[in-house]
Amino acid sequence: KAGVTQTPRYLIKTRGQQVTLSCSPISGHRSVSWYQQTPGQGLQFLFEYFSETQRNKGNFPGRFSGRQFSNSRSEMNVSTLELGDSALYLCASSLVPGVYYEQYFGPGTRLTVT
Amino acid sequence: AQTVTQSQPEMSVQEAETVTLSCTYDTSESNYYLFWYKQPPSRQMILVIRQEAYKQQNATENRFSVNFQKAAKSFSLKISDSQLGDTAMYFCALLNTGNQFYFGTGTSLTVIP
Repeated sequence: KAGVTQTPRYLIKTRGQQVTLSCSPISGHRSVSWYQQTPGQGLQFLFEYFSETQRNKGNFPGRFSGRQFSNSRSEMNVSTLELGDSALYLCASSLVPGVYYEQYFGPGTRLTVT
Repeated sequence: AQTVTQSQPEMSVQEAETVTLSCTYDTSESNYYLFWYKQPPSRQMILVIRQEAYKQQNATENRFSVNFQKAAKSFSLKISDSQLGDTAMYFCALLNTGNQFYFGTGTSLTVIP
């Protein structure tokens, strides 16, 4: 069974631009979560989607948004990019939300904002 | 508010030796779950071990075990018989009843041959 895939793996953008990242969960998984990883802050939760609905949202500005499609694939969008948005963005999927269902992480998308 | 603190940014251990990674947390909830995740240099994060807060017995997974001290809000990870493949960043995480994860800043572990 294929793992969680994220595209693109690397991205370079300039300040003010917007970016869309994609995450394809493991087949059969319906829950997708997004995290931002930076050296100083560690991993911070962005949002979680299940059945095309956002169930949880972390403490990030409205420039960060996401959605989930009927096939469980998810996208996150960052508008008006800032230098501080440079990070590794990780996506994780699980069968359904809940602690008994292990989250499987993707390899991440490395975003660099210049 | 929930917080997870890993006070050891970097650690090293000789191959075959034992190492303990520290983690403390803060939460006002009575029911929660704790995890250790491993992120090797290839960047794919994987689950190492998990602990339910209502269980007093410490979780173990082969060479990995935890020391869960609920009153002290401490959750350390012990790796026995360290192997070169254990070299990775290790993250401690807390999952609350709202199903939201809180991660520590990580401990970079290097196993020295």
